[in-house]
Amino acid sequence: NAGVTQTPKFRVLKTGQSMTLLCAQDMNHEYMYWYRQDPGMGLRLIHYSVGEGTTAKGEVPDGYNVSRLKKQNFLLGLESAAPSQTSVYFCASSYSQGHYGYTFGSGTRLTVV
Amino acid sequence: SQQGEEDPQALSIQEGENATMNCSYKTSINNLQWYRQNSGRGLVHLILIRSNEREKHSGRLRVTLDTSKKSSSLLITASRAADTASYFCATDPYTGANSKLTFGKGITLSVRP
Repeated sequence: NAGVTQTPKFRVLKTGQSMTLLCAQDMNHEYMYWYRQDPGMGLRLIHYSVGEGTTAKGEVPDGYNVSRLKKQNFLLGLESAAPSQTSVYFCASSYSQGHYGYTFGSGTRLTVV
Repeated sequence: SQQGEEDPQALSIQEGENATMNCSYKTSINNLQWYRQNSGRGLVHLILIRSNEREKHSGRLRVTLDTSKKSSSLLITASRAADTASYFCATDPYTGANSKLTFGKGITLSVRP
């Protein structure tokens, strides 16, 4: 049982390049989330999904897009990377709202130069 | 915006001592959760306490919740060097299907051998 798997683990991008971060979960969780973690800022929610085919904006959605075509996958896209998007990105999933904790992936460390 | 605020920001104790960490929040919650993050890793769910509960135990962890003061505390008894990590509280307002956890900025705990 792998839980939540994020790929890649590390990436360096040049300003203006695009990339997609993949999150996959094998727990049949309905809810999935993308957070970014910056020093002194804690975790901030970027986008989330309450089920297959749904997405919604979180606290800091600008510059990111997401898709949830399959229940087990949640993709985070950066169309034109900026240095301000240098961060550690975490994906999480949960079985339901209000009753269970989140299961997190191990993170993707992204540097935009 | 971050709901939970942890206190202190950093804590250093000797192995075998107890560690107490506090979290305050601003609005009504359905539950409050504590997570641990080891350096370079994802967050791990430790414990969830519901708004109608006052205390909960899990192994060496004891969590209390005071909804009248909008505060929670996490006590780790008989600490070990392996407890060295960052600890985050997260609040769940459970406003419906789109409810999300909001994380604090975390407490850095160092346990000296």
